[in-house]
Amino acid sequence: GENVEQHPSTLSVQEGDSAVIKCTYSDSASNYFPWYKQELGKRPQLIIDIRSNVGEKKDQRIAVTLNKTAKHFSLHITETQPEDSAVYFCAASKGYNQGGKLIFGQGTELSVKP
Amino acid sequence: NAGVTQTPKFRVLKTGQSMTLLCAQDMNHEYMYWYRQDPGMGLRLIHYSVGEGTTAKGEVPDGYNVSRLKKQNFLLGLESAAPSQTSVYFCASRTGTGPYEQYFGPGTRLTVT
Repeated sequence: GENVEQHPSTLSVQEGDSAVIKCTYSDSASNYFPWYKQELGKRPQLIIDIRSNVGEKKDQRIAVTLNKTAKHFSLHITETQPEDSAVYFCAASKGYNQGGKLIFGQGTELSVKP
Repeated sequence: NAGVTQTPKFRVLKTGQSMTLLCAQDMNHEYMYWYRQDPGMGLRLIHYSVGEGTTAKGEVPDGYNVSRLKKQNFLLGLESAAPSQTSVYFCASRTGTGPYEQYFGPGTRLTVT
């Protein structure tokens, strides 16, 4: 069935360093790839997303890259800050097909040390 | 504009009891979803709906039922709760046209003893 694998499960970086989280997906029909940030006890919040017709997207310190051939996508956070500490989830969906349901990765707990 | 709301926020059930979780959205979204979140497993889709009167199964539908009688509401029912259903439940919604972004509710923490 459809599957999204996410690595690493935990990531610790020093403030100011970069952080990279990687995901692979199994269904080649997937065409939408969002990234969510979840702080402890809170709801997931969308931080950036990318569609399959784009290879890279940036929003200030955050960027996402997509390699459709290899079926993997990555989140890059530059100049990390303590407030970036949270759990990050990648996901994949088929847009409007199958109700646009999201298949999530297992999550990465990012810790940014001051 | 409250977005997506969930009722209740917390609940403790005994094994075998039943309950209904309510999700409401005021964004006129066509699509609605129920996910559960367990430690180390991310979010998994239970059921979803693409419009009023329609429902479909997700990844982990067993033990749950849903109904979408009104466009703005999506109900998740547990007929006979089991300890394995202890989890945090999130509802989400999105438009059926335009952006694909799903908006999440604040969650319901359910404990079954």
